[in-house]
Amino acid sequence: DAGVTQSPTHLIKTRGQQVTLRCSPKSGHDTVSWYQQALGQGPQFIFQYYEEEERQRGNFPDRFSGHQFPNYSSELNVNALLLGDSALYLCASSPDLQGMFDYGYTFGSGTRLTVV
Amino acid sequence: GEDVEQSLFLSVREGDSSVINCTYTDSSSTYLYWYKQEPGAGLQLLTYIFSNMDMKQDQRLTVLLNKKDKHLSLRIADTQTGDSAIYFCAESIDTDKLIFGTGTRLQVFP
Repeated sequence: DAGVTQSPTHLIKTRGQQVTLRCSPKSGHDTVSWYQQALGQGPQFIFQYYEEEERQRGNFPDRFSGHQFPNYSSELNVNALLLGDSALYLCASSPDLQGMFDYGYTFGSGTRLTVV
Repeated sequence: GEDVEQSLFLSVREGDSSVINCTYTDSSSTYLYWYKQEPGAGLQLLTYIFSNMDMKQDQRLTVLLNKKDKHLSLRIADTQTGDSAIYFCAESIDTDKLIFGTGTRLQVFP
């Protein structure tokens, strides 16, 4: 059973560009969350998608946006990239709400974004 | 407020027990989690505890929760070199997000 799949694994972008990161949740999971993990830090919550809608958002600017598709996969878009956006971006999926409490999130291996 | 704190580094000898500590500030936390992150990898859920529990044991792992002091600990018995990684505690207050600590790097030496 494939877990959470993220693509690409690594990415280098230039300041001011736009980037799209992709996530396929674990089979049977319908909720997708995105986290940003800067070097040496714990992951920070960006937002969560459920039923194709953003359910909650962390303290991230509007440059960060997302989307969830009917097959539960998700994209994270970042516009006008800054050097400070360099980080590991983690996607996490979970089953229904009770399942999240029981099993926690399943995390992907992440996309390492470097902005130069 | 939301804040989770951990010590940055722990070094133990192979075969000894490791204890990783975490403090959190939000008393309305419902679940508390321990995740493991190996180099270049995502986060692996190790164990979790519901906020109305004091202790949970799962093979070599023991989680202790002191809700009064908002203190969570993870004990790893018989620590092995394969346990070397960064360990994150995380709290969930509602269904929507996890709040992570800064992580504790565990180094196991022979």
